[in-house]
Amino acid sequence: AQSVAQPEDQVNVAEGNPLTVKCTYSVSGNPYLFWYVQYPNRGLQFLLKYITGDNLVKGSYGFEAEFNKSQTSFHLKKPSALVSDSALYFCAVRRNTGGFKTIFGAGTRLFVKA
Amino acid sequence: DAGVIQSPRHEVTEMGQEVTLRCKPISGHDYLFWYRQTMMRGLELLIYFNNNVPIDDSGMPEDRFSAKMPNASFSTLKIQPSEPRDSAVYFCASSARGGTGPTYEQYFGPGTRLTVT
Repeated sequence: AQSVAQPEDQVNVAEGNPLTVKCTYSVSGNPYLFWYVQYPNRGLQFLLKYITGDNLVKGSYGFEAEFNKSQTSFHLKKPSALVSDSALYFCAVRRNTGGFKTIFGAGTRLFVKA
Repeated sequence: DAGVIQSPRHEVTEMGQEVTLRCKPISGHDYLFWYRQTMMRGLELLIYFNNNVPIDDSGMPEDRFSAKMPNASFSTLKIQPSEPRDSAVYFCASSARGGTGPTYEQYFGPGTRLTVT
């Protein structure tokens, strides 16, 4: 069975500081991993994905994430946070075989203070 | 492209009434997903289609829920009869297998906020 854990309900950072939103996963076989962002009253927007290759993936709006197979983690990072980054962030996992079913984490709310 | 289109954006109905939610996926996408989002349960996959065929409906809560995809550009999620516990935001998303391989990620619509009183 697939599962995703986002251990922090909320992350608070000051504008200009680096941010990290944590994600760990469990899946049989090799994973496809994703990060999405949700702004109030909006649908989820795709940020970045790990499919294969380089463990460090770069995505939209300056975000990046590092795939760590031994720790089964895929933490989202950004070197310098903006107030406009404040939103709800979801990590998601899918098996690389057997269909398109994607499991989403519970979400982490990011607050960036000016 | 206009993205994934959902209608209505808001729906308020009384318990026992039939509710129909509509979705138009991105043109050329051959996967369509229906999700439900609540504070208590987070984002749940209800059902997904590939080439208009339901592939996995294991997330559909009960027989009161049904989904159809009569063609590549339209899908419906129906609840009959509706109950207060069905109140949630329902999202439709689509994805594609591109010419050079699958795109993998999903593109979400704006959602339908359903309130059942």
